[in-house]
Amino acid sequence: KAGVTQTPRYLIKTRGQQVTLSCSPISGHRSVSWYQQTPGQGLQFLFEYFSETQRNKGNFPGRFSGRQFSNSRSEMNVSTLELGDSALYLCASSSRDSLGTEAFFGQGTRLTVV
Amino acid sequence: AQSVTQLGSHVSVSEGALVLLRCNYSSSVPPYLFWYVQYPNQGLQLLLKYTSAATLVKGINGFEAEFKKSETSFHLTKPSAHMRDAAEYFCASSGTSYGKLTFGQGTILTVHP
Repeated sequence: KAGVTQTPRYLIKTRGQQVTLSCSPISGHRSVSWYQQTPGQGLQFLFEYFSETQRNKGNFPGRFSGRQFSNSRSEMNVSTLELGDSALYLCASSSRDSLGTEAFFGQGTRLTVV
Repeated sequence: AQSVTQLGSHVSVSEGALVLLRCNYSSSVPPYLFWYVQYPNQGLQLLLKYTSAATLVKGINGFEAEFKKSETSFHLTKPSAHMRDAAEYFCASSGTSYGKLTFGQGTILTVHP
């Protein structure tokens, strides 16, 4: 069974640009969550989607947005990039809609903003 | 609100020695707790999880963790460290929010020959 796939693995963008990251969950998983990982702030929750609906959102500015498609694949978008957006962005998928279900993570997309 | 504290950002042990990584949680509701491991330039891999079925949880690669409600702790242990255990370890909790994990700051484990 294939794991969570994130594309691209690495990305370099210029300040002010926008970027779209993609995540394909494990087959059959309907919940997809996104996290930002930086050395200073650690792992922070961005948002979570289930059946194309955003159920949960972290404390990030509106420049960060996401969506989920009917096949459960998800994208996140960051507009007007800032240097501080440089981070590893991780996507995770879960199989069941119940509390305490473990999340399976992709390898991440390393975004560098210059 | 959920919060997770990992005591010690760096832990160093000799190969064959006991590994103990500390995690304390703060929660107003019974938590679900997890330990993940991250190797350089990789995502997170689940080691084990606690969901109230048993207080001693066994995971992969010889790791285990014990849930102690009285101490609000969920420390990760391994009897004998191996070089391949060198990585960063994260404790995480989820409460009543679907799809959201709250992570500790992580502990980098170094294993010396």
